[in-house]
Amino acid sequence: QVHLVQSGAEVKKPGSSVKVSCKTSGGTLTMFALSWVRQAPGQGLEWMGGSIPISTTPNFAQKFQGRLTITADKSTGTASMELSNLRSEDTAVYYCARGNGSDFDYWGLGTLVTVSS
Amino acid sequence: EIVLTQSPATLSLSPGERVTLSCRASQSVGNYLAWYQQKPGQAPRLLIYDASSRATGIPARFSGSGSGTDFTLTISTLEPEDFAVYYCQQRSHWPPEYTFGQGTKLEIK
Repeated sequence: QVHLVQSGAEVKKPGSSVKVSCKTSGGTLTMFALSWVRQAPGQGLEWMGGSIPISTTPNFAQKFQGRLTITADKSTGTASMELSNLRSEDTAVYYCARGNGSDFDYWGLGTLVTVSS
Repeated sequence: EIVLTQSPATLSLSPGERVTLSCRASQSVGNYLAWYQQKPGQAPRLLIYDASSRATGIPARFSGSGSGTDFTLTISTLEPEDFAVYYCQQRSHWPPEYTFGQGTKLEIK
């Protein structure tokens, strides 16, 4: 059984950083890719970055280059993403998702990050 | 960046009807195309991968087809629980990235 358990909701000030974690099971981090996808209120899904099966280092969507850090601790099965220099437009639900080939077959429940002064 | 365009944006239908959703890519993605269903307050659920393969546990009324730039998701007979938002998604090899379509909302008529 595969589980992706995310950390709890966060409220952050503009200009600060947020770190969201994703505790995985089922050998996810050793055998599969893991990505971060976000969804602003009432909007669609947006891939932010993650490990692609063909690469062992994270890849990032261009708009998040320089602001997004993705780490993975394979010994504990925990992946994390840290987004810096937050602005109000970063208010969203952030999901971790397991990449299996070209798709995402398992998703965390999501973490709401609210950026507000 | 490969852009995925879904149509229509919204569909109003009744249970029992057949529906076909469209997803068009700005350049060929081969068959690296997936479909997801998302209900309010829930994470997306994988329905179809590699354009036409049903994910584990997905009912047979869901089917996907297409290759290259044009793809469709068909629900043969709408059930009440199928009213949701549907997204298509592709993975490109270079640059290595994933993109989603903007979604089609399927609502009850």
